[in-house]
Parts: sequence; C-alpha cells; structure tokens
Amino acid sequence: QQPVQSPQAVILREGEDAVINCSSSKALYSVHWYRQKHGEAPVFLMILLKGGEQKGHEKISASFNEKKQQSSLYLTASQLSYSGTYFCGTEMRDYKLSFGAGTTVTVRA
Amino acid sequence: DTGVSQNPRHKITKRGQNVTFRCDPISEHNRLYWYRQTLGQGPEFLTYFQNEAQLEKSRLLSDRFSAERPKGSFSTLEIQRTEQGDSAMYLCALPEAEVNVLTFGAGSRLTVL
Repeated sequence: QQPVQSPQAVILREGEDAVINCSSSKALYSVHWYRQKHGEAPVFLMILLKGGEQKGHEKISASFNEKKQQSSLYLTASQLSYSGTYFCGTEMRDYKLSFGAGTTVTVRA
Repeated sequence: DTGVSQNPRHKITKRGQNVTFRCDPISEHNRLYWYRQTLGQGPEFLTYFQNEAQLEKSRLLSDRFSAERPKGSFSTLEIQRTEQGDSAMYLCALPEAEVNVLTFGAGSRLTVL
C-alpha cells in the first residue's frame, strides 16, 4: 500500500529549513528517501531500518518512528541544489518498495 | 553512469502497437525491478526478477504486459496493444546487495498517441 507524504509542495529560501513527512498503515521494515530532479531518475538519499540503523546522505537527516510507522526527512539550511521532488519508499521485508506521491521542494535564492 | 542502461530512452507509438523496452545492468545483480512512473506520481512497482525467475507481478500489470530476463542479466518489458493510459516512464532498478536500496536507470519514456 502506498505511503502518504505531506506536504505536497514546499517553497523555501536558501538557508531555511523544511520537514517532509511520510506515513504508512502497514508495519514497516525500512523507509527509504529518494530525490528526483526534473527529467532525471530518482536518486537514493537515505535508508532507515527497523531497529534504528541509518545509511545515507551526510547533509540530510531523517527519523523513523517504528511505533507510528512514520518517517520525517529534515532539510536543514537548504541550498539551491536541494530543489526537486522527494519520495519516500516503504518496504515490509518483501523486497518491494512502495513509493509515495512525492513532495516538490523549490529552493529560491 | 548509474550502473543500468535502458533503451530506447523515448518511444512514441500509436495506440494498438506493441513496444519493447530493454534494461541492461552494467554488472551482475541477482534482482532486477521494473517500475512505472506517471506525471506527478511516485514510481509504481510492476514486477521483479530473482535471476531468471519472475517472482512477483503487480496487479497493475495487465495481460498485455510481459517481462523476461532470459539469462539472468538483461531484461525486457513488452507492452502489447498499447493504450493511451500506458503513457509513462518505465524505470528499471537494481538493488544493493544487503539492503534494498535501488539504483534507477534513466528510464524509457513511452508516449501512446
């Protein structure tokens, strides 16, 4: 089942912060975050595993609340290069990722 | 270089025609995935292979869709009797070994007129 992302879109000025949320109604094994720029394929940012392990991008942080099956991605001190559409992907240890509809982030100078 | 090559990059076809997309991993991967992405949506799972075996197909995949991975390396996705609703980006993805982190190919964009 597709996870739900919010907000759908966010506009930031350089240096501002934003939070993108992802929630699922299913018990999750892992949550993934990807970013897609216009005309390009999605690119992996971060994975959060059940049990607390995280792997990914040095400058982007995320959290995973296993009890609530929710994850949040934190964009801190945003840069122009952060613009794009962010997708969360959820996995129930069945080797399939289900992606949310995405959050479009626009960072302006 | 994403580690996976997809061809063709763009395909424009008339309704009712058949199309085939190909995915070529640069290195060996046991698992290979196909996703479809329409405008404004996230990628939707279509099917995946473990070596030559197709292990799961989404209910999104009608009988007009067929995928193969004959030697456990490259894969093809064929759509027969295309419909306008098939217009989308078809993405091939390869996972990292221990965790299911996906590397996506650049995709094959299908436009059905």
